[in-house]
Amino acid sequence: GAVVSQHPSRVICKSGTSVKIECRSLDFQATTMFWYRQFPKQSLMLMATSNEGSKATYEQGVEKDKFLINHASLTLSTLTVTSAHPEDSSFYICSAPPQATNEKLFFGSGTQLSVL
Amino acid sequence: RKEVEQDPGPFNVPEGATVAFNCTYSNSASQSFFWYRQDCRKEPKLLMSVYSSGNEDGRFTAQLNRASQYISLLIRDSKLSDSATYLCVVILNSGGYQKVTFGTGTKLQVIP
Repeated sequence: GAVVSQHPSRVICKSGTSVKIECRSLDFQATTMFWYRQFPKQSLMLMATSNEGSKATYEQGVEKDKFLINHASLTLSTLTVTSAHPEDSSFYICSAPPQATNEKLFFGSGTQLSVL
Repeated sequence: RKEVEQDPGPFNVPEGATVAFNCTYSNSASQSFFWYRQDCRKEPKLLMSVYSSGNEDGRFTAQLNRASQYISLLIRDSKLSDSATYLCVVILNSGGYQKVTFGTGTKLQVIP
């Protein structure tokens, strides 16, 4: 089945640095990628939707300049957390939408970001 | 009203018990429904799709009630390994745009 590869799986960084997270679709072309954030004991919250060849669509309350999303090709979408702060520490995960009705989502394995 | 709402957790049940979760959705045009299981700090894994006719997979039974706009998950003979957070997912396709909404999740703890 379709696989989404997400890297890195864990990042520990100092406050003020930028962190890039990559999601690659390995055996299919993903024109769209969903990016989620999950704080401890909370559900997945959609941050933005990246679209190949066009600007990402951000959910209300998500800072575009802080969370840079790029969908450079049909197999690669990236999320860059710029000038990360401790409050950005969270579990970030990408997901490719179903390829057809009633098909499942394809998730990356997630990135645990810890900002010191 | 939230677009997708789930039973608040946690559910603490003994091994062997039967437990049921419900999930309601607000948009009647929603088309696809799923139950996912998520272990701590891991990606959600598909447990089962939910069909109008209801479907069963071993100890798990999923039901969809379009009239009342809810889906349910029944777990029979609970195992310790069933301990996880269960997420309902509702997908709406509209004009080429796909909206995926997750419920807040219900935590299940199966106790020996």
